[in-house]
Amino acid sequence: DGGITQSPKYLFRKEGQNVTLSCEQNLNHDAMYWYRQDPGQGLRLIYYSQIVNDFQKGDIAEGYSVSREKKESFPLTVTSAQKNPTAFYLCASSIWRGRGYGYTFGSGTRLTVV
Amino acid sequence: KQEVTQIPAALSVPEGENLVLNCSFTDSAIYNLQWFRQDPGKGLTSLLLIQSSQREQTSGRLNASLDKSSGRSTLYIAASQPGDSATYLCAVGKTSYDKVIFGPGTSLSVIP
Repeated sequence: DGGITQSPKYLFRKEGQNVTLSCEQNLNHDAMYWYRQDPGQGLRLIYYSQIVNDFQKGDIAEGYSVSREKKESFPLTVTSAQKNPTAFYLCASSIWRGRGYGYTFGSGTRLTVV
Repeated sequence: KQEVTQIPAALSVPEGENLVLNCSFTDSAIYNLQWFRQDPGKGLTSLLLIQSSQREQTSGRLNASLDKSSGRSTLYIAASQPGDSATYLCAVGKTSYDKVIFGPGTSLSVIP
């Protein structure tokens, strides 16, 4: 079955540590996205990528980094520069050129600072 | 700048009732609008996608309508069930690029 896989489901980070969240899709989608969701708040866009080897900052990119070396993969690194990283992180994908298609989401990673 | 709002923020209804969730957007130049469901601690599940040229989409007990000129979409849920309890989000796709703008969501509770 085609879909998006996010791992791990739960992640704990110590102060000053970098951690990487994985996002893999087998939908052959061109575009991939990372969102952050905090309790009582809507989804906020961190980074997005429309094609391989290219990505753009979203609304809250500070303290995060991404790479897009393969079409299927879009990992997100939460760096020590992100002062409040505890949140629920969601990865999504969509077909870029065929704009009639909507988004497909992964099941999310919950990151907690310990 | 596109802004998306959803009213009400929370809704509690008895089982079996028909209900309507609202989504409003400020810029009518949209490409599509998508309704999602999110269960607690889970990712988003796509329910319905409406293209800008369409007026409505239906899937089972769900019907979504779109009125671009007034900047509104509604999600109609017929004969609600306790399993419908979740947060419902709408997302608007702009014409110039594929980033979408999400509304804050409506938290629905269906009481048995």
